[in-house]
Amino acid sequence: GDSVTQMEGPVTLSEEACLTINCTYTATGYPSLFWYVQYPGEGLQLLLKATKADDKGSNKGFEATYRKETTSFHLEKGSVQVSDSAVYFCALSNYGGSQGNLIFGKGTKLSVKP
Amino acid sequence: KAGVTQTPRYLIKTRGQQVTLSCSPISGHRSVSWYQQTPGQGLQFLFEYFSETQRNKGNFPGRFSGRQFSNSRSEMNVSTLELGDSALYLCASSLVASSSYNEQFFGPGTRLTVL
Repeated sequence: GDSVTQMEGPVTLSEEACLTINCTYTATGYPSLFWYVQYPGEGLQLLLKATKADDKGSNKGFEATYRKETTSFHLEKGSVQVSDSAVYFCALSNYGGSQGNLIFGKGTKLSVKP
Repeated sequence: KAGVTQTPRYLIKTRGQQVTLSCSPISGHRSVSWYQQTPGQGLQFLFEYFSETQRNKGNFPGRFSGRQFSNSRSEMNVSTLELGDSALYLCASSLVASSSYNEQFFGPGTRLTVL
């Protein structure tokens, strides 16, 4: 079945450092890809999405490009802030495939130190 | 516009009991999905309701059930609770039936602890 694999955390960075969180997927057909963020004590918030190959999603300085050839959707930010400390989830939805609704990776916890 | 609300936020039960969790979607949203989040298994899809009908179901035992009312509010029920049911239960709503293109908006979750 469809699945998402993302890099294990936790990731600890200093403020203004560059961030990359790797995400790869396995899916039949043409899934849509998402990054969600979960702040402590809160639910999930959609950070960005891409619905087809070569699309770039971006929001709040974060970017991710849908790479079908490498089945990847890596999350990047050029300069992280303390306020970016959270857990980040890569996810896919694939209504053209055998599974419905969102399928999530395990999550990567990011801590940004001042 | 108010977001997705879930009640209660925290719940403590003992093994063998049953529990009902409630979710009120964003006004106008007709689809509600439920997810279970645990440290070991991560986020897993439970089921989706659209227009009072279960549209999709994840791989969970029959002890997990749900329903949706005509005002789109949804409840999920877990019977004969087990220790492993301790989790954060998240509800998400979307305007129409969830698809690869619709954004799902998540509530803050209900933290269930089974003793």
